[in-house]
Amino acid sequence: SQQGEEDPQALSIQEGENATMNCSYKTSINNLQWYRQNSGRGLVHLILIRSNEREKHSGRLRVTLDTSKKSSSLLITASRAADTASYFCATEIQGGSEKLVFGKGMKLTVNP
Amino acid sequence: KAGVTQTPRYLIKTRGQQVTLSCSPISGHRSVSWYQQTPGQGLQFLFEYFSETQRNKGNFPGRFSGRQFSNSRSEMNVSTLELGDSALYLCASRPDRGRETQYFGPGTRLLVL
Repeated sequence: SQQGEEDPQALSIQEGENATMNCSYKTSINNLQWYRQNSGRGLVHLILIRSNEREKHSGRLRVTLDTSKKSSSLLITASRAADTASYFCATEIQGGSEKLVFGKGMKLTVNP
Repeated sequence: KAGVTQTPRYLIKTRGQQVTLSCSPISGHRSVSWYQQTPGQGLQFLFEYFSETQRNKGNFPGRFSGRQFSNSRSEMNVSTLELGDSALYLCASRPDRGRETQYFGPGTRLLVL
């Protein structure tokens, strides 16, 4: 079963706008990660946030983590057409032997 | 460094057959994980190998098996294929240090007819 659930499941925006994706999870985690997948290809790691962190930045990406609400959000600023992809949150569950559990993903379309 | 490579990239099989997929991790990575991705179930963890030993296993039937060789290359085998095994099979490797991040290959798309 899925640990994480992304919301919304699909998002369509214009180039230059910001995109926000949310992820909720069920059990205690060591870290939460976001991955991107282009058209049924392999996944690319975007950013990782540990359970004792609240916010991290990487380029145009900002991720937040609220462990009390068991939720995370990924913000992509100044989006580009090349950001069009599916985005997945993945959680490393505490006591889960470093296994990653992925959400079902969210489809982002950035229109030029 | 070269990325994770998977062969073959595409495969068509018929029900009842068996299939072997191969994964070569990034040089120096000793951990290899396998995932199955389908539209209905999403990304599901199959198993992880480290230094030729299976460390973790997901909830898949015994028809799904794997192994890892001394050079860290890994193979995944599915016996007695079913239509529902049609999926994108992804392999990922990770380093000994900074183990949280996984590096994925392009996947093998398997179609079972």
